[in-house]
Amino acid sequence: EAGVAQSPRYKIIEKRQSVAFWCNPISGHATLYWYQQILGQGPKLLIQFQNNGVVDDSQLPKDRFSAERLKGVDSTLKIQPAKLEDSAVYLCASSALEGTNEKLFFGSGTQLSVL
Amino acid sequence: KNEVEQSPQNLTAQEGEFITINCSYSVGISALHWLQQHPGGGIVSLFMLSSGKKKHGRLIATINIQEKHSSLHITASHPRDSAVYICAGTGNQFYFGTGTSLTVIP
Repeated sequence: EAGVAQSPRYKIIEKRQSVAFWCNPISGHATLYWYQQILGQGPKLLIQFQNNGVVDDSQLPKDRFSAERLKGVDSTLKIQPAKLEDSAVYLCASSALEGTNEKLFFGSGTQLSVL
Repeated sequence: KNEVEQSPQNLTAQEGEFITINCSYSVGISALHWLQQHPGGGIVSLFMLSSGKKKHGRLIATINIQEKHSSLHITASHPRDSAVYICAGTGNQFYFGTGTSLTVIP
């Protein structure tokens, strides 16, 4: 079974530049998450999609971050303009129900360095 | 206050030792996940628990619903077990602990 695909694997940009990340979840997974993981911390939820609708974006810094999942399959996360503190790993995950429990599947992440 | 608290933050063990990582969670979390993240690698889901105990190879996860506490045990630890282990609770969303960085020394 193919896993959650993310690209690029690494990205280095200067502050005030723009950057976009792409995620293709596991086929058939309706729920898709974007997380930000700063070094030494646990993942922080940025946005949750159910199909092409947003379920939770309360922690997304909407002045600079945006995300979309137009067809309810793959998704893009954009940062415009980037700040130094955006340096982190951006993780995409999709989930499936196993019985009554939701199981998460993570992509390998995009490591962003903002200089 | 975090909904999910993990301990210890860092753990160093000798190869072969029995390892325990603890996780406490708050009201409103219906299932507990244990995740593994190798350096530079992606996150892998190890277990999902809502009651009892699960075992996979040398890994054992337990959960006590009354005490809102879960543990991840590694028996006969090996250097390849070195990774960050993250506890995550499912409620309205996923709530992540800060992770336990485990180093197993040969």
